[in-house]
Amino acid sequence: SQKIEQNSEALNIQEGKTATLTCNYTNYSPAYLQWYRQDPGRGPVFLLLIRENEKEKRKERLKVTFDTTLKQSLFHITASQPADSATYLCALALGGANNLFFGTGTRLTVIP
Amino acid sequence: DGGITQSPKYLFRKEGQNVTLSCEQNLNHDAMYWYRQDPGQGLRLIYYSQIVNDFQKGDIAEGYSVSREKKESFPLTVTSAQKNPTAFYLCASMWTGVTGELFFGEGSRLTVL
Repeated sequence: SQKIEQNSEALNIQEGKTATLTCNYTNYSPAYLQWYRQDPGRGPVFLLLIRENEKEKRKERLKVTFDTTLKQSLFHITASQPADSATYLCALALGGANNLFFGTGTRLTVIP
Repeated sequence: DGGITQSPKYLFRKEGQNVTLSCEQNLNHDAMYWYRQDPGQGLRLIYYSQIVNDFQKGDIAEGYSVSREKKESFPLTVTSAQKNPTAFYLCASMWTGVTGELFFGEGSRLTVL
């Protein structure tokens, strides 16, 4: 069966450090992978998309890598700030968004 | 500003009652989606619609119904047949373009008493 795992339910990190979140998947050949940010009681907000033929994508302090051999995506936040504290979701697309599968999320807390 | 509006934000329902959650978007997106979010689980797709007057079941459609009479609106009805309806419901839309980025509403939290 299809499975998406995000490395841990919660991650605490000191302000200024780089936060690294992991998304592993099995039994998929995703067309692309997305990362979203979700604040408590709010809807997710899209951050980045990376396609199967791309190794790395960057946006400001965010970086995403995609290794289709390892079936893994890494999501990095450099120079982390307390405002980065949120839950981060990865989502795999097997085609259109009607085939978008979400992980359970990692709750990141950046400690001042 | 363009976006997706879900209402109500909080809703309480007695067992055996149907309830309808509203979702309206002014982004001119063709596709709309309903997801359910439970603690410790990923978002699960309930229904989706890629065009007016057409919709498809997602992974957990049992106990739910939808309609898509207008491009802007995609209401979800949680029926009494849904065995465990207490959850956080998220509506989303997407422009069927290149990125596949989903735009989400703020969610509706349904509690069955």
